[in-house]
Amino acid sequence: GQQLNQSPQSMFIQEGEDVSMNCTSSSIFNTWLWYKQDPGEGPVLLIALYKAGELTSNGRLTAQFGITRKDSFLNISASIPSDVGIYFCAGHRGGADGLTFGKGTHLIIQP
Amino acid sequence: DVKVTQSSRYLVKRTGEKVFLECVQDMDHENMFWYRQDPGLGLRLIYFSYDVKMKEKGDIPEGYSVSREKKERFSLILESASTNQTSMYLCASSFSEKLFFGSGTQLSVL
Repeated sequence: GQQLNQSPQSMFIQEGEDVSMNCTSSSIFNTWLWYKQDPGEGPVLLIALYKAGELTSNGRLTAQFGITRKDSFLNISASIPSDVGIYFCAGHRGGADGLTFGKGTHLIIQP
Repeated sequence: DVKVTQSSRYLVKRTGEKVFLECVQDMDHENMFWYRQDPGLGLRLIYFSYDVKMKEKGDIPEGYSVSREKKERFSLILESASTNQTSMYLCASSFSEKLFFGSGTQLSVL
């Protein structure tokens, strides 16, 4: 099955910096979702996007559904230590299909 | 809150053993999923089910089977465990596109 192209694979940043990551696909999705996985836990849903061009915020997180429906972006502003983890994008085509996931972005914050 | 519970956090098995991974959800969700997670490969779908006694193959079903006898329970079965099945296994449930995950089972096959 297809996987999404998620980048960057990892990020080493300083506390307080802003973070950007993105996901692209060769095909269209009807819904884009962003998950975060803390060490030793399962992924937790952060943001869900339903319309092309949609921009949605959740605290310091902002995500966008690309206008072509083939990409999505996640930004984190003013990073803090608890932002450390793996961030996954996921696309949904509709119906009873499961999600297609990106390979994840490892976010590491240096003190 | 949705709760998806996986029966074991850590499991160590020997090659050739039959292994059962259990997952229970408490939100009456129709759909349930099993993924495996490996470094550098992300989350890969093994099997999913959208109703009791229904199952569909995901992207990597080889070496696995599943059982859904009750709506709230979805079991993943490794008929004869092999070392390449050492991985983190994640169960999820959903009623729409939003998946809710359990905490995962780290399986080591020696």
